[in-house]
Amino acid sequence: DTEVTQTPKHLVMGMTNKKSLKCEQHMGHRAMYWYKQKAKKPPELMFVYSYEKLSINESVPSRFSPECPNSSLLNLHLHALQPEDSALYLCASSQDRSRGGTDTQYFGPGTRLTVL
Amino acid sequence: KNEVEQSPQNLTAQEGEFITINCSYSVGISALHWLQQHPGGGIVSLFMLSSGKKKHGRLIATINIQEKHSSLHITASHPRDSAVYICAVRSGAQKLVFGQGTRLTINP
Repeated sequence: DTEVTQTPKHLVMGMTNKKSLKCEQHMGHRAMYWYKQKAKKPPELMFVYSYEKLSINESVPSRFSPECPNSSLLNLHLHALQPEDSALYLCASSQDRSRGGTDTQYFGPGTRLTVL
Repeated sequence: KNEVEQSPQNLTAQEGEFITINCSYSVGISALHWLQQHPGGGIVSLFMLSSGKKKHGRLIATINIQEKHSSLHITASHPRDSAVYICAVRSGAQKLVFGQGTRLTINP
């Protein structure tokens, strides 16, 4: 199984809503990533989790709150978002290179988020 | 100047043509990735290179570490190859630095 799944595929939310994006992988990867991608731009790294601990936060606003409840799951909790946060949110996973794995990242299909 | 530069930004070709996409980078790296993104979003990792050349089907990727340059070639291109191709280099422990992408369109 070399698949990363993300739910939902599409999400429309108001600025006062609270919602969550979910990501799951069963490849035994211990590094998981959240990226944000605007139209016609490359992905921008938001967060990295390594062994369920947050290892990188790219100065992301606190209205985005990541969570890694176990080694297979990664969530992104959203609250009080702005219209400019509308984007494709991509999850990825990889082996932990520091422990001998490769760093090929496997990406999910993304959640297309629209904030009204 | 971006740390990773790709050229061309857009490329349109006819089915069957040989395609080359270039990537230059300005930082020290330990690995370079070529990624493919189809309309609709999903990203697929095509190659990870640290030296030399790799081939997978009609795709060939090369890297010259001394010149800090990599190329992605597609032989006998097909309309299904139409996608955005992204070069990314590993910078730091777990971060990828992405190029801006090359939008490839193959016309039948």
